[in-house]
Amino acid sequence: ELKVEQNPLFLSMQEGKNYTIYCNYSTTSDRLYWYRQDPGKSLESLFVLLSNGAVKQEGRLMASLDTKARLSTLHITAAVHDLSATYFCAVFPQMNYGGSQGNLIFGKGTKLSVKP
Amino acid sequence: DAGVTQSPTHLIKTRGQQVTLRCSPKSGHDTVSWYQQALGQGPQFIFQYYEEEERQRGNFPDRFSGHQFPNYSSELNVNALLLGDSALYLCASSSRRTIYFGEGSWLTVV
Repeated sequence: ELKVEQNPLFLSMQEGKNYTIYCNYSTTSDRLYWYRQDPGKSLESLFVLLSNGAVKQEGRLMASLDTKARLSTLHITAAVHDLSATYFCAVFPQMNYGGSQGNLIFGKGTKLSVKP
Repeated sequence: DAGVTQSPTHLIKTRGQQVTLRCSPKSGHDTVSWYQQALGQGPQFIFQYYEEEERQRGNFPDRFSGHQFPNYSSELNVNALLLGDSALYLCASSSRRTIYFGEGSWLTVV
């Protein structure tokens, strides 16, 4: 069974602190996505990581991918309250490369709360 | 350029009823996928349509069916609604390696 596991599932941080969210997956893939979801809203695309060693940064968020370890990380630097949301990683299994797109397998999400 | 649009945004149905949700993909996208997101969970893949045919399907019963039209828009139909079908239903369209999600349809079954 294909699994995507995120940890922690809940994260309470203070503003100004750093933290990392981990995403482990059980299938072969070189394509990993990070999404943000605010309460009652849809998914907002943050990063698409397409190869081993890929690193992308946007503001206070930085994502990386290690396909050999089947691990992606989302690092938060100097957290601010506006980052409070649920963050999902999603994997596109390599067996999909026959032509299908959009068949993502999601983790359960990490609910981040940044407190002053 | 309109993104992925879904309708309706919210609806309430009674157990046993049927519901149809609609999705228009982003311009130029020909593949549409549907996901179900229960409260507090990650989205689960339902099925995908391409060239008006169901190309892949997740682990959902036959009560869930769909359709894709020649203009690439899509419908998701759910028959014999159960309380457990209450969820956010997300439509996604894709181009190359970027996947765009619509705002979703919130379905409540009472």
